[in-house]
Amino acid sequence: IQMTQSPSSLSASVGDRITITCRASQTIITYLNWYQQKPGKAPNLLIYAASSLQSGVPSRFSGSGSGTDFTLTISSLQPEDFATYYCQQSYSIPLTFGGGTKVEIK
Amino acid sequence: QVQVQESGPGLVKPSETLSLTCTVSGGSISSYYWTWIRQPPGKGLEWIGRIYTSGSTNYNPSLKSRVTISVDTSKNQFSLKLSSVTAADTAVYYCARDLSSAFTWFDPWGQGTLVTVSS
Repeated sequence: IQMTQSPSSLSASVGDRITITCRASQTIITYLNWYQQKPGKAPNLLIYAASSLQSGVPSRFSGSGSGTDFTLTISSLQPEDFATYYCQQSYSIPLTFGGGTKVEIK
Repeated sequence: QVQVQESGPGLVKPSETLSLTCTVSGGSISSYYWTWIRQPPGKGLEWIGRIYTSGSTNYNPSLKSRVTISVDTSKNQFSLKLSSVTAADTAVYYCARDLSSAFTWFDPWGQGTLVTVSS
């Protein structure tokens, strides 16, 4: 299953609301996860099963969607949120990731 | 709190076999899937494969002919072997816990280890 993220990069300011989109090449129901990766660090789980917030993740992060179209929203961008975000499907093997969305400071 | 940590050589010669081990601490390795993921420098994430503690495995078809993942429950470790490596296999290799056979996610991740393929 191919996962396509858009945009591949975006520039935003602290306090902005941003939305990242992930599209699957076939239905994956809600078998969709989101990760945040900062430079030189391992990815960190943010959202699992499309909309469930991982423990310890701030509530400004939210996920939605089902079927083939999913979104990750950050309601008010904070300085520590500038990073690359990846979606990942767990509906079928091979498990696959989107290409990533780099969120940069405007 | 479960933690995972990769270890192994940082430099491998072309055509040789890359070997990495992931050590699980803070909890038992039993009753979970355990996964390997890699990331070439400046690029995205690629799932390599996973193993259940029974020894059952799933591999990415793109790498299946060269990959072997094994588990040693007595040591709370699992391992990756990738044969016939080329420069294209240069990447940061991560290990992670993989919650279940389906409807799964990766958490926690190790810090990653850079493996460079070069003579």
